[in-house]
Amino acid sequence: ELKVEQNPLFLSMQEGKNYTIYCNYSTTSDRLYWYRQDPGKSLESLFVLLSNGAVKQEGRLMASLDTKARLSTLHITAAVHDLSATYFCAVKYSGGGADGLTFGKGTHLIIQP
Amino acid sequence: NAGVMQNPRHLVRRRGQEARLRCSPMKGHSHVYWYRQLPEEGLKFMVYLQKENIIDESGMPKERFSAEFPKEGPSILRIQQVVRGDSAAYFCASSSTGRDQPQHFGDGTRLSIL
Repeated sequence: ELKVEQNPLFLSMQEGKNYTIYCNYSTTSDRLYWYRQDPGKSLESLFVLLSNGAVKQEGRLMASLDTKARLSTLHITAAVHDLSATYFCAVKYSGGGADGLTFGKGTHLIIQP
Repeated sequence: NAGVMQNPRHLVRRRGQEARLRCSPMKGHSHVYWYRQLPEEGLKFMVYLQKENIIDESGMPKERFSAEFPKEGPSILRIQQVVRGDSAAYFCASSSTGRDQPQHFGDGTRLSIL
């Protein structure tokens, strides 16, 4: 069974600081996704990481993937209040079959002025 | 709005009633997925459908839950004889045929069981 673990689950940080969210998964995967969810809202796709060593950046967010370590990171640079949200990583099992995603529990991020 | 459309946004049912949740995928998307989210939890995969076919229902409870995606019309997630534990947010997502494409999510249906 594929398991996805995120840490930390809760993070409070000040504007202007840097921080990293970690996503570990338990079995081979060839697709990793990061999503953002605001309270009461749907999930917004942030990044799709498809290969070992993949790095993608959008604004103050940067995501990377190490398939050998089964680890992805989401790095936040010089955080601003608008980035407050819950961030999920999701993994697609590469063992074939259907395309359902396995999600981590999410990192609830609060950025304080 | 060309996004994934779910309705209703909120649904209240009494124990023992039936709940029907609808999902229209993004234009041009032929793959539909249903997920359930409990409070403070990540999403749990339930079922994956293409038109008129259930591809993977490994995440569906064995009883009371069913899903369909007919040739015409939206995908339906049906929960019969609802119980309190069915209270959750149910999200639908769709994707195009490319495996590398992300799944695009609807706004969800918040189901509350009285």
